Amino acid sequence: DAGVIQSPRHEVTEMGQEVTLRCKPISGHDYLFWYRQTMMRGLELLIYFNNNVPIDDSGMPEDRFSAKMPNASFSTLKIQPSEPRDSAVYFCASSFTNSRSYEQYFGPGTRLTVT
Amino acid sequence: AQTVTQSQPEMSVQEAETVTLSCTYDTSESDYYLFWYKQPPSRQMILVIRQEAYKQQNATENRFSVNFQKAAKSFSLKISDSQLGDAAMYFCAYRSRNDKIIFGKGTRLHILP
Repeated sequence: DAGVIQSPRHEVTEMGQEVTLRCKPISGHDYLFWYRQTMMRGLELLIYFNNNVPIDDSGMPEDRFSAKMPNASFSTLKIQPSEPRDSAVYFCASSFTNSRSYEQYFGPGTRLTVT
Repeated sequence: AQTVTQSQPEMSVQEAETVTLSCTYDTSESDYYLFWYKQPPSRQMILVIRQEAYKQQNATENRFSVNFQKAAKSFSLKISDSQLGDAAMYFCAYRSRNDKIIFGKGTRLHILP
């Protein structure tokens, strides 16, 4: 398996623009997680899905952020409009309910820079 | 709410020596999982070791082992025979029954040649 795939790996955009981050989880995994990592706040869970349904979005910072999972093999995290404080590394992770340990497998991350 | 605390922001160890990274957590649950993840400069998050709370035996993966003290809510990571490739940020993590995983702030480990 190719592991969790994220695109793009790097994104540079101007303030006010819409940004869409993409994630393909590991085939067969039924949980998908979106995280944000910054020096100041560390790793923050933004939202997670189970069987394509959002379970907990309490970590989404504000209405400018939205996430979707239209099917089991694809998810997006959208920021509209983007702001400089959104600059961070965004990780997607997936896991499988019936694994013994529920460990999460992370993608390589997307480094977002908003100027 | 569950919390995970890593009290050592940075640590250094001489190559080939042993180092222990600390982690404490707070929970009212009895069934959960604990993990240590490694994040090298490539920023890829890599699972190092896992521990099921119901198991008393400490998990071991080659040079990596844990000291799990359930009553004390402590979960430290020991790295034996440290190698240059072990230099990374290490995150302690807790996963509860509701499947949300909580990470500590991390400990940056430096390996001195």
